[in-house]
Amino acid sequence: GAVVSQHPSWVICKSGTSVKIECRSLDFQATTMFWYRQFPKQSLMLMATSNEGSKATYEQGVEKDKFLINHASLTLSTLTVTSAHPEDSSFYICSARLAGLSFTDTQYFGPGTRLTVL
Amino acid sequence: GENVEQHPSTLSVQEGDSAVIKCTYSDSASNYFPWYKQELGKRPQLIIDIRSNVGEKKDQRIAVTLNKTAKHFSLHITETQPEDSAVYFCAASWSTGNQFYFGTGTSLTVIP
Repeated sequence: GAVVSQHPSWVICKSGTSVKIECRSLDFQATTMFWYRQFPKQSLMLMATSNEGSKATYEQGVEKDKFLINHASLTLSTLTVTSAHPEDSSFYICSARLAGLSFTDTQYFGPGTRLTVL
Repeated sequence: GENVEQHPSTLSVQEGDSAVIKCTYSDSASNYFPWYKQELGKRPQLIIDIRSNVGEKKDQRIAVTLNKTAKHFSLHITETQPEDSAVYFCAASWSTGNQFYFGTGTSLTVIP
């Protein structure tokens, strides 16, 4: 149980195009999902908190107009990188909160999406 | 916001020895501290966590200690094995449902 998937697992795009990344909780409902960015050999940097049915909360320094987050259902959150540039190339990972039972109340991570912008 | 520091950044140990990774946090409101193991190109996997009402937690070869007064917590791995080689991240959060703030990571290498 508590499986989180991401799609696509990797994507290559041209500079100036937009890319959508999906994060799904497969066997549980997630009222909250989180989006992280990870550069090679570096830590996970929180980008935003996504709550179902409401606007995402972005961390300081993250451009909300560039990284569009939508959390339309309890099992799906999407991150759209708009007008992507080479500096946006990174590993994007989502996590979903499994809430309810105290012993399982934690976050589970998706497998990540590697974005390369040419 | 929360600031989590992690040391060391790299750690090499002989198989069978113990490994210790330390983290400090800045926000006294943080009360949930998970540890994740990440292998190259893969997702972080939760290996152990501790809540602020507990000082120590153990799961087989892995243990975590927490000192709320000093605002630091540590991961202890005993009898290390080559498959323990990975990058380990600590994190701090106000609760399990809130955002995690991660440390900078420790690359652990267990030498056979």
